[in-house]
Amino acid sequence: SAVISQKPSRDICQRGTSLTIQCQVDSQVTMMFWYRQQPGQSLTLIATANQGSEATYESGFVIDKFPISRPNLTFSTLTVSNMSPEDSSIYLCSVESAGFTFGSGTRLTVV
Amino acid sequence: AQTVTQSQPEMSVQEAETVTLSCTYDTSESDYYLFWYKQPPSRQMILVIRQEAYKQQNATENRFSVNFQKAAKSFSLKISDSQLGDAAMYFCARLQGAQKLVFGQGTRLTINP
Repeated sequence: SAVISQKPSRDICQRGTSLTIQCQVDSQVTMMFWYRQQPGQSLTLIATANQGSEATYESGFVIDKFPISRPNLTFSTLTVSNMSPEDSSIYLCSVESAGFTFGSGTRLTVV
Repeated sequence: AQTVTQSQPEMSVQEAETVTLSCTYDTSESDYYLFWYKQPPSRQMILVIRQEAYKQQNATENRFSVNFQKAAKSFSLKISDSQLGDAAMYFCARLQGAQKLVFGQGTRLTINP
């Protein structure tokens, strides 16, 4: 199955700033997925990123808040913009590979 | 909403014993995939086992097996010979459509030595 390198692993950010999370996959994949896991909660899909087209966002998530880039078939970024403490969560990327494989997650704390 | 429900927020088991984690789901699809993921404190999501709904045979991966009851929309995970390294959050998930995983709320499993 694919191996995903996700970074940063954690960050503490000031409110009002933005953070960009990167995911690098060791093989070419058509779709990459971004999930949010709020404290003590389950995972919720934010958006699906296809190379060469705009990401598709789930209900409750908007591009202005979570812009996504997908410049090629092995890489994607998720930006969390204009952060507030409510954005404190674990963010994970995922690809479909022998089931769904996940990156190691980014633990974001907004203060 | 098509949901996945894990009714056990926490479970504990003695080392070397067997434990079963419950999961029920709702779907209008006839063919779909189901998964169990393990999330240790490192927060890495690790695929434990998956089941294709059209296959009647229950999936097995070493000490992990499922009891898939399609008519009842039930998908429980059995862990045999529990080990300390099995301690983690366990999430049941269903593939909705071709690409969206819908997760349950998770069950925290503790292994008592």
